[in-house]
Amino acid sequence: GAGVSQSPRYKVAKRGQDVALRCDPISGHVSLFWYQQALGQGPEFLTYFQNEAQLDKSGLPSDRFFAERPEGSVSTLKIQRTQQEDSAVYLCASSLEREYEQYFGPGTRLTVT
Amino acid sequence: EDQVTQSPEALRLQEGESSSLNCSYTVSGLRGLFWYRQDPGKGPEFLFTLYSAGEEKEKERLKATLTKKESFLHITAPKPEDSATYLCAVRVTGFQKLVFGTGTRLLVSP
Repeated sequence: GAGVSQSPRYKVAKRGQDVALRCDPISGHVSLFWYQQALGQGPEFLTYFQNEAQLDKSGLPSDRFFAERPEGSVSTLKIQRTQQEDSAVYLCASSLEREYEQYFGPGTRLTVT
Repeated sequence: EDQVTQSPEALRLQEGESSSLNCSYTVSGLRGLFWYRQDPGKGPEFLFTLYSAGEEKEKERLKATLTKKESFLHITAPKPEDSATYLCAVRVTGFQKLVFGTGTRLLVSP
């Protein structure tokens, strides 16, 4: 079956621009996660949804980062007024239920120039 | 603070040369330890979940084990296609997020 998909795969933004990153989870998966991965590092948690409810946003680095999942399926991570330190790979993961294993998408590589 | 430490950072093996990767953790309460494989330019690929000390899981040339302080990923007779970064992560009681280590970069030469 289809895995987690993310778009775009690559995004170049000028400093100060807003960006929106999309995640399509595996069909039927109720839990959705966003992670940020810097080069040579492991993924770091940003935020977590159970259906449409955002239950944990403790990893969002600033109020410039905003995530939503309005219908409990597709999710969007929005970054306002991008900064160079936002350059990273943004990974989305989904799991069937709470406490299950998470399956990752291919990521979106964001470069802020 | 919950922490995951992986060693070595990088490992170079000859094809057929077995070895082990280490993942040590310090957490308030473990609700699962996860191993993932990540190829360059791709997202992490799920390998195993371990829940309690003494548990073992196998898949082809890989075997994961768990103690109260660490996990090992044993690679038996590796092949070049096993070359990747192997990530270890923990889920802590009360949270759904995964806390990752920095990974071990494995290179298997023919």
